[in-house]
Amino acid sequence: NAGVTQTPKFQVLKTGQSMTLQCAQDMNHEYMSWYRQDPGMGLRLIHYSVGAGITDQGEVPNGYNVSRSTTEDFPLRLLSAAPSQTSVYFCASSYLRANTEAFFGQGTRLTVV
Amino acid sequence: AQSVTQLGSHVSVSEGALVLLRCNYSSSVPPYLFWYVQYPNQGLQLLLKYTTGATLVKGINGFEAEFKKSETSFHLTKPSAHMSDAAEYFCAVSDNAGNMLTFGGGTRLMVKP
Repeated sequence: NAGVTQTPKFQVLKTGQSMTLQCAQDMNHEYMSWYRQDPGMGLRLIHYSVGAGITDQGEVPNGYNVSRSTTEDFPLRLLSAAPSQTSVYFCASSYLRANTEAFFGQGTRLTVV
Repeated sequence: AQSVTQLGSHVSVSEGALVLLRCNYSSSVPPYLFWYVQYPNQGLQLLLKYTTGATLVKGINGFEAEFKKSETSFHLTKPSAHMSDAAEYFCAVSDNAGNMLTFGGGTRLMVKP
């Protein structure tokens, strides 16, 4: 019973590089989301998806892209990494919507130098 | 727009003492309210949630929270702290549509022996 799986766990990027953070869930959840966690700021929503083929922006979407081609997968793409994107990234899924219990992955610690 | 304020980024209590973590929210519609806990180097997990009905909500590990509409508060309490309660706690609010979950800045709970 894997739940929500994020890869990689750690990543160091150079400014301007691009990369994709992977997120997969095996609970057949419709709702998936990406957050970034910064000290003192809690978790801030980057993008979310209410089902396959449907995505929308959250609170801090600039510099990030997402797609949802399947129910299981919700990758987050950094287009051109900047030091301000140094953060811990969490993927989460919920059965139907954000007002049901969210299940979180273990996080990806990203450093942009 | 909805928002969450957690008073006190750090709270320290002695083992066996009362735990009180404060959360105030703003929402233009009746909210769905949550408390999540994050242990070091892990993702978040649900402690408890309020949707409708009884305003006193009981969660896991002896925690409970009371929804007070007049005060727009959802404070988290536990009668007797245990060393294993040391963690970071996040209050969150979702709207009725369930499109977005908004987190507070978090409160780090320290438990002294």
